[in-house]
Amino acid sequence: EAQVTQNPRYLITVTGKKLTVTCSQNMNHEYMSWYRQDPGLGLRQIYYSMNVEVTDKGDVPEGYKVSRKEKRNFPLILESPSPNQTSLYFCASCRSTDYGYTFGSGTRLTVV
Amino acid sequence: AQSVTQLDSQVPVFEEAPVELRCNYSSSVSVYLFWYVQYPNQGLQLLLKYLSGSTLVKGINGFEAEFNKSQTSFHLRKPSVHISDTAEYFCAVRGSGSEKLVFGKGTKLTVNP
Repeated sequence: EAQVTQNPRYLITVTGKKLTVTCSQNMNHEYMSWYRQDPGLGLRQIYYSMNVEVTDKGDVPEGYKVSRKEKRNFPLILESPSPNQTSLYFCASCRSTDYGYTFGSGTRLTVV
Repeated sequence: AQSVTQLDSQVPVFEEAPVELRCNYSSSVSVYLFWYVQYPNQGLQLLLKYLSGSTLVKGINGFEAEFNKSQTSFHLRKPSVHISDTAEYFCAVRGSGSEKLVFGKGTKLTVNP
């Protein structure tokens, strides 16, 4: 089944403890992106990648890192999480010749 | 840069009534337009998309949307809604030549019996 897989689905952590949210797609898509969803703000792009080793900042990159060492994987790294990073996170991917992103099921992160 | 405005944050309707969820966008380049649906505690599912051609686009679950370039709108419609259509709906725009998908803030559709 074609899909974007995120792990974990739920995560509670403490301020300052480094964490990684994994994202993997099995559709050989070139483009991958991370979004965060907050009530009343919709979805905002954090980082995106147009291919292996090509990444760039979205609208709200502060406090996040990404890497794209393999085409299928695009992990989101929070080096020192803070409570304002409590949010619902989505990973998405699409083919460069297509325009509709496929989204993962989301990761609900709580930083206390 | 692109932006999207969803004019209604909440839309309550009765079952079997028609519904229209409004979306306006702004862009200095040609655009591709999308509607996504998010059911409670789930991810986003693509309902329909406009890339080019016919301005009336049909999607899944009986939804359709019409691209109106002069009014920069892409409103979503369904002639008769079901309880199961209760969800949050997001309009999104992507500019030609850009990989970035810009979302509106969402419209919560509640279908009441």
